[in-house]
Amino acid sequence: DVKVTQSSRYLVKRTGEKVFLECVQDMDHENMFWYRQDPGLGLRLIYFSYDVKMKEKGDIPEGYSVSREKKERFSLILESASTNQTSMYLCASSFGTGAQETQYFGPGTRLLVL
Amino acid sequence: DQQVKQNSPSLSVQEGRISILNCDYTNSMFDYFLWYKKYPAEGPTFLISISSIKDKNEDGRFTVFLNKSAKHLSLHIVPSQPGDSAVYFCAASALMGDGNKLVFGAGTILRVKS
Repeated sequence: DVKVTQSSRYLVKRTGEKVFLECVQDMDHENMFWYRQDPGLGLRLIYFSYDVKMKEKGDIPEGYSVSREKKERFSLILESASTNQTSMYLCASSFGTGAQETQYFGPGTRLLVL
Repeated sequence: DQQVKQNSPSLSVQEGRISILNCDYTNSMFDYFLWYKKYPAEGPTFLISISSIKDKNEDGRFTVFLNKSAKHLSLHIVPSQPGDSAVYFCAASALMGDGNKLVFGAGTILRVKS
């Protein structure tokens, strides 16, 4: 069974803190993605990775960085958290890069930055 | 500038009736369209998709229609069931770099009343 797990379901951090969100998939997928979901805006792509140690910017990469040292793990890093980064963060993975490839999502991490 | 728009934030339907969720897009380069369903506290899950070379795809109670000239697609659920109550995201696939990325709409909350 396909599984994408995220390290935390809820996080509360203070402005200026460094925040790590971890995502692990057990499907040997090549591709991994980080999105944030906000009311009225849907899911917006932050960063994605097509291979280990490889990363590409999505639509809203500002204020974020990522790390992919192993195929199964993709980390999202907020170097200095700000209140406008309060959001639901969703990780996803897919096997290939074709248009028809299904993305499998984790349950999400709801981050509150105070 | 939202390339994928779901103009109805919510929809309420009686059990057994048809649910119609709509989606409009602006980028004629999109070549694949997908619908994802999201329950509270869970990640989105893939529901149904359609290639731009087709105008209809059916899977059980779910049918997606694509009108390329109008840049419009719709998801029909017949008959609607209370378990269909969820947020539905329309997504379009766009070629970017070495692969495809998904562009999501804002989502429509469907409530099926029993």
